[in-house]
Order: sequence, then C-alpha cells, then structure tokens
Amino acid sequence: SQTIHQWPATLVQPVGSPLSLECTVEGTSNPNLYWYRQAAGRGLQLLFYSVGIGQISSEVPQNLSASRPQDRQFILSSKKLLLSDSGFYLCAWSVSGGAIEQFFGPGTRLTVL
Amino acid sequence: GQQVMQIPQYQHVQEGEDFTTYCNSSTTLSNIQWYKQRPGGHPVFLIQLVKSGEVKKQKRLTFQFGEAKKNSSLHITATQTTDVGTYFCAPPRGSTLGRLYFGRGTQLTVWP
Repeated sequence: SQTIHQWPATLVQPVGSPLSLECTVEGTSNPNLYWYRQAAGRGLQLLFYSVGIGQISSEVPQNLSASRPQDRQFILSSKKLLLSDSGFYLCAWSVSGGAIEQFFGPGTRLTVL
Repeated sequence: GQQVMQIPQYQHVQEGEDFTTYCNSSTTLSNIQWYKQRPGGHPVFLIQLVKSGEVKKQKRLTFQFGEAKKNSSLHITATQTTDVGTYFCAPPRGSTLGRLYFGRGTQLTVWP
C-alpha cells in the first residue's frame, strides 16, 4: 500500500532562517506531487506541483522553492523565512495522468517568530 | 477565469440536525471532488462526481453534481460529533490533470 511521510511535524523558526521540509512517498511510482500551505482558518493554497523528477511548477510568487531530486521525494525550501510563511504545510500525491484523488501527508506546522 | 465559491463558510449545528454545504462554479466542471479535514488533521478524500446530475451516498452523506455541472452539494443527515471538520469541494484547477482548487471550505461545528 502507498504511504506518504512528512517531517518534521512541527517547526518553530526565527525570521530570516532557512527552511527545508521533506516529503516522501512509498508504494507508488512516478506520482504527481504537490505542496500546499494552509494559513490559520484559511483554505489550501497550492504552492508547487511536480509531474516528474526535476519538473516543478510554481503556482504563486513567493520566497519558497521546491525540488524533486528523486521520483518519490519532494522538498520545500526557503533561504530566508518571513513571518507570513507561518502555516500548515501539506504534501500530497496523486496518480499521474488522471483526475483522481489526492492523498495528503500529515503536514508540518511551521511557526515563524 | 474560473471562480469557485463554497458556502457557507461556517456552520454550527446541534447534533442530530442536518447540514448542507454548496459549491458553485462560474464555469462547467469536468468533475468535482470532496474532501474532509478534521481539526488539526489533513484533508481526506471523500468522493468524486463526474456525471451530470449524479447523486452518490455514503451512509449519512449525500453528494450531488448539478445538471449543468456547475454546482455541487454535500448533505449530511442527522449530524454526529464525529462529523466535525472542514469540508472542501475541489474542482479541477485549470487544464492540467491532477491540479485541484481548494477554497476555504465549510467549517462544521456540531454541538452535542
């Protein structure tokens, strides 16, 4: 069966510090991968999605970046965090090529102070 | 461009009452998915609707897709405290397969 892992579960970082969140998927090959952010009481904002290794599409301009160094690994990064980067970061995967369900990881709750 | 609105944003009900959330799109949708997010948790897929006028049931949950495929609804009969959470409709976002639009959803609170 397929599983999706995210770490860390919670993170408190000072403004201006770097960020690296990792997401890995097991039990499937060539998945579509997604990074979402959810601010407190808000909806899910799609940040990045990837259809393959090294292929990243950005949805909104921001100081975040994403990389996909391996088929089932998706990394969200920032060189310098802003207060507005606080939120709940969710990684998700779906089968490639189809309009089917997305499976979400447990999320990382990031607080930037 | 595509505009999707989900209403209401918040709903508070007494346990046993019914609940409905509506999703309206300015454009015709090829399909629509529904997700539930429990407080502190992550979204979980509930169902996908594809056909015009489609109605699907999951126990106390009834999902409908409008005849014009521009609106959808989720109805919960006799709510329970376990129904607490935020319900999102998620239509396709743009033309790229797999991309979904998640709005703010409807946050449901159920009082015992």
